[in-house]
Amino acid sequence: QVQLAQSGAEVKKPGASLKLSCKASGYSFTSFNMHWVRQAPGQGLEWMGIINPSDGATTYAQNFQGRFTMTRDTSTSTMSMELSSLTSEDTAVYYCAKDGNRGNFDYWGQGTLVTVSS
Amino acid sequence: EIVLTQSPGTLSLSPGERATLSCRASQSVSNNYLAWYQQKPGQAPRLLIYTASSRATGIPDRFSGSGSGTDFTLTISRLEPEDFAVYYCQQHVTSFSFGQGTKLEIK
Repeated sequence: QVQLAQSGAEVKKPGASLKLSCKASGYSFTSFNMHWVRQAPGQGLEWMGIINPSDGATTYAQNFQGRFTMTRDTSTSTMSMELSSLTSEDTAVYYCAKDGNRGNFDYWGQGTLVTVSS
Repeated sequence: EIVLTQSPGTLSLSPGERATLSCRASQSVSNNYLAWYQQKPGQAPRLLIYTASSRATGIPDRFSGSGSGTDFTLTISRLEPEDFAVYYCQQHVTSFSFGQGTKLEIK
């Protein structure tokens, strides 16, 4: 069965950088794109970016360009993200999600709570 | 970027009733890559419907999706207690975006 296991909760100070990971299992990692989506407390879902695990090609949402990077390690079937210059507005639950090949997200990780506070 | 507007913001209904949720796009979702998700408190979203009308694996047939172009609908034919949650629509044309959500609450 498809599983996406995310790294644990983080507390960061403003200005710091954040690195999260998402380990995939139960399917061919390089056959499906992967995404990061975040959700601020009490708010809706915000798409951050997509990576093709086969070649590492990425596309980021305009809101995050310049401070957001997605990478992958095919040897461990793990996708990672790094978000820099954190502010309190980056406090959110961050989800990784597998692309369903029809423009949707068919499997989601459990989410990682990130708190940015001085 | 395509903006998705969901209505109503909150829908109050009783178990057994029919729920109709709307999602309107600012531009045509010409490829019909419109999906619906259910999210319960403290949980990740769950895919219900993709390509506007196809049910995802394991989704009960009381959930159905319809629409094309700029207007899409999620219908729950007879509400079960476990259906009360927040629902999001999502599109993928050139990029990806979500609607702001509709909260379905027990009346």
